Amino acid sequence: GDSVTQMEGPVTLSEEAFLTINCTYTATGYPSLFWYVQYPGEGLQLLLKATKADDKGSNKGFEATYRKETTSFHLEKGSVQVSDSAVYFCALSEEETSYDKVIFGPGTSLSVIP
Amino acid sequence: GAVVSQHPSRVICKSGTSVKIECRSLDFQATTMFWYRQFPKQSLMLMATSNEGSKATYEQGVEKDKFLINHASLTLSTLTVTSAHPEDSSFYICSATFWTSGGAKTQYFGPGTRLLVL
Repeated sequence: GDSVTQMEGPVTLSEEAFLTINCTYTATGYPSLFWYVQYPGEGLQLLLKATKADDKGSNKGFEATYRKETTSFHLEKGSVQVSDSAVYFCALSEEETSYDKVIFGPGTSLSVIP
Repeated sequence: GAVVSQHPSRVICKSGTSVKIECRSLDFQATTMFWYRQFPKQSLMLMATSNEGSKATYEQGVEKDKFLINHASLTLSTLTVTSAHPEDSSFYICSATFWTSGGAKTQYFGPGTRLLVL
């Protein structure tokens, strides 16, 4: 079945450091790919998405490119801030389920220290 | 963007009681909503798909008589945890399908409901 794998956390970075969170997926069809962010004690917020190969999603300085050849959707940010501390979830939804059902990766906790 | 709300945000109840959690799409209609459960420091696990006007579809291993789902309108789905026990304590999150103007679908998530069963 479909699945999403993320790099193990927690990740601790200093402010203004470069961030990469790796994400790879397994899917039978042509999934849409997402990054969601969950701040402490809150629900999920859609951070960015890409719906087809080579698409780049971007938001709030974060970006990720849909790489079909490597089945990856790595999240990057050039300069992290303390306010970026949160848990980041890579996710996919499949065409065969009409893109309704979202499958999540295990999440990667990010802590940014001043 | 689309907004999904949940109520209550937190609930504490005694073991054996039932708890109802509401999920509302505030500015759009959603024929399909989803209920997830999240344990501490873990990912979201899909519990069931809630379809307006029909029975919910439950994921394998989820007790449908334990977790009752009602999707009575295009903007409201409810999850009732019946005869709750401490092991039901968790963070419950709903999502709703939003159609963009371009015809694509995106899931928008509610803020979650933290349930503590004593």
